[in-house]
Amino acid sequence: DADVTQTPRNRITKTGKRIMLECSQTKGHDRMYWYRQDPGLGLQLIYYSFDVKDINKGEISDGYSVSRQAQAKFSLSLESAIPNQTALYFCATSEAGYHQPQHFGDGTRLSIL
Amino acid sequence: KQEVTQIPAALSVPEGENLVLNCSFTDSAIYNLQWFRQDPGKGLTSLLLIQSSQREQTSGRLNASLDKSSGRSTLYIAASQPGDSATYLCAVPGSNYKLTFGKGTLLTVNP
Repeated sequence: DADVTQTPRNRITKTGKRIMLECSQTKGHDRMYWYRQDPGLGLQLIYYSFDVKDINKGEISDGYSVSRQAQAKFSLSLESAIPNQTALYFCATSEAGYHQPQHFGDGTRLSIL
Repeated sequence: KQEVTQIPAALSVPEGENLVLNCSFTDSAIYNLQWFRQDPGKGLTSLLLIQSSQREQTSGRLNASLDKSSGRSTLYIAASQPGDSATYLCAVPGSNYKLTFGKGTLLTVNP
């Protein structure tokens, strides 16, 4: 089983719909992250969480919200989806500290029509 | 603002060849540098992480080097195989723990 699991793996939806992407981890890491990847732009950080009570905005948080339900679970929501949110979304985890690597899930491919 | 550049953007080599992928970064005050592999439609697999105090890190046929003063890292792949075909990304952490990624090098190893 994967250490970082994202669901769903693929999702197609319509403009204006509310969507939730889920991430769960079995690594026991305190820190969790949400990134989006767009062709030609690389990965951009949406939100990150150092623990259940500590959630921070990344560089592109507008239009997104998150919930850290437990140490192992971190969900990303699009309140009212728009076509330019079509992208590949990744969840990542790490232990505390600058020296620790980030570990990524397999991603959710989201298409908004 | 940290910027990460990877050269070349794409590379095609015959099987068995040794190759080098390049990564440069503008702010040398980094804690570490991480190399990832991404297969089409898949997530990122961490290959190597070099701490700022290290100069090299090896895993199997992969060897990564880091020169903080010049803002450069290289990923050396020995005896390349078709299964090595993927996009290779380098990334460095910033002040808010955000990883800044390069745009990647698309490697194709031809049988």
